[in-house]
Amino acid sequence: AQSVTQLDSQVPVFEEAPVELRCNYSSSVSVYLFWYVQYPNQGLQLLLKYLSGSTLVKGINGFEAEFNKSQTSFHLRKPSVHISDTAEYFCAVSGRGSTLGRLYFGRGTQLTVWP
Amino acid sequence: GAGVSQSPRYKVAKRGQDVALRCDPISGHVSLFWYQQALGQGPEFLTYFQNEAQLDKSGLPSDRFFAERPEGSVSTLKIQRTQQEDSAVYLCASSLTGTVSAEAFFGQGTRLTVV
Repeated sequence: AQSVTQLDSQVPVFEEAPVELRCNYSSSVSVYLFWYVQYPNQGLQLLLKYLSGSTLVKGINGFEAEFNKSQTSFHLRKPSVHISDTAEYFCAVSGRGSTLGRLYFGRGTQLTVWP
Repeated sequence: GAGVSQSPRYKVAKRGQDVALRCDPISGHVSLFWYQQALGQGPEFLTYFQNEAQLDKSGLPSDRFFAERPEGSVSTLKIQRTQQEDSAVYLCASSLTGTVSAEAFFGQGTRLTVV
């Protein structure tokens, strides 16, 4: 089975500052990794995903994440945040060999961007 | 439709009542997932359909939970004899193919409150 730990439940940051949202995973098999964003009263939206290849993945809205197999991490970063980035962010993993597309989510990190 | 549609958006049920939650996936999407998101938690997998076949129901918490997708399109999640611990947001997601590389699109969810 797989599991995901999001180390920070809340991250406050000022506008135009850089941000990193941390994610660690546990799995006995190779994994696929995802970051989703959830704006208030909206469904989850895919930000980016790692399936294979380059460990640095670029997503929408200027976000990027780096897969680190030795540290079992997939931290999300953005060099300069905007007010509109305020949302809940979820890291998720899907294990190779399990139900295709079945996602195991972390508890989420609330990013709040202050002016 | 343009996205995954779930209805109702909000449901209040008295303890012991049966409820039915509907999911309209994106037209043509083969895979359909149900997740349960308790307050302050990440989504947790309930069940998975590929077309009309329910291939994985290992996440259903009890035999009071039942899901179907009889024609491979619309899906219904039914909860019998609701309990307070069933209070959560129920999310539906669909993807075009049964591969992990296919993006899963999420609906806005149904917030169930059992009183």
